[in-house]
Amino acid sequence: GENVEQHPSTLSVQEGDSAVIKCTYSDSASNYFPWYKQELGKRPQLIIDIRSNVGEKKDQRIAVTLNKTAKHFSLHITETQPEDSAVYFCAAGLTDSWGKFQFGAGTQVVVTP
Amino acid sequence: EPEVTQTPSHQVTQMGQEVILRCVPISNHLYFYWYRQILGQKVEFLVSFYNNEISEKSEIFDDQFSVERPDGSNFTLKIRSTKLEDSAMYFCASSDPTMNTEAFFGQGTRLTVV
Repeated sequence: GENVEQHPSTLSVQEGDSAVIKCTYSDSASNYFPWYKQELGKRPQLIIDIRSNVGEKKDQRIAVTLNKTAKHFSLHITETQPEDSAVYFCAAGLTDSWGKFQFGAGTQVVVTP
Repeated sequence: EPEVTQTPSHQVTQMGQEVILRCVPISNHLYFYWYRQILGQKVEFLVSFYNNEISEKSEIFDDQFSVERPDGSNFTLKIRSTKLEDSAMYFCASSDPTMNTEAFFGQGTRLTVV
């Protein structure tokens, strides 16, 4: 089955700097890669996703890149703000098995003013 | 914005007891899921449900677990005989792939088995 590895486990950045979180996956059949943000005590919320037919996707300060050959994908947050502080989870799955995602272990991002 | 709602927010139960966790998915969604998150660990897929039957389940979802859609709005997860290691946050989620939408998560039910 799919196995998703996520690094780093914690990331501390100064406000205004960029943050990068990296994930690798094992199943080459996976074709859908969502990223979820989970604030303390709250539900995971989708912040961006990418499908395997696209190499990069951007939404304002957030971007995701996908390298299918190497089976890794990354989340990039630019101009970080204190409200970006949260746990970020990457996930991998199939578009014909919606919701059956394998999640990474999560990255605790702390943005210090 | 429509939301997935879960009740209760926190459930404490004695080991060996049965618990039922309840979820109301977003009304026009077709796929429903349960995930769990043991404290400090990753979110783990348990089961997906479509067209009134389980479509996929993980190895975690053993005979102690069952899901049901008892009416047109609720989606439940039952744990027959709880164990200490069942203590976790349980998230319900729903999606409608025909509309190309994400899986929306509920706020979770924290289950504590004592």
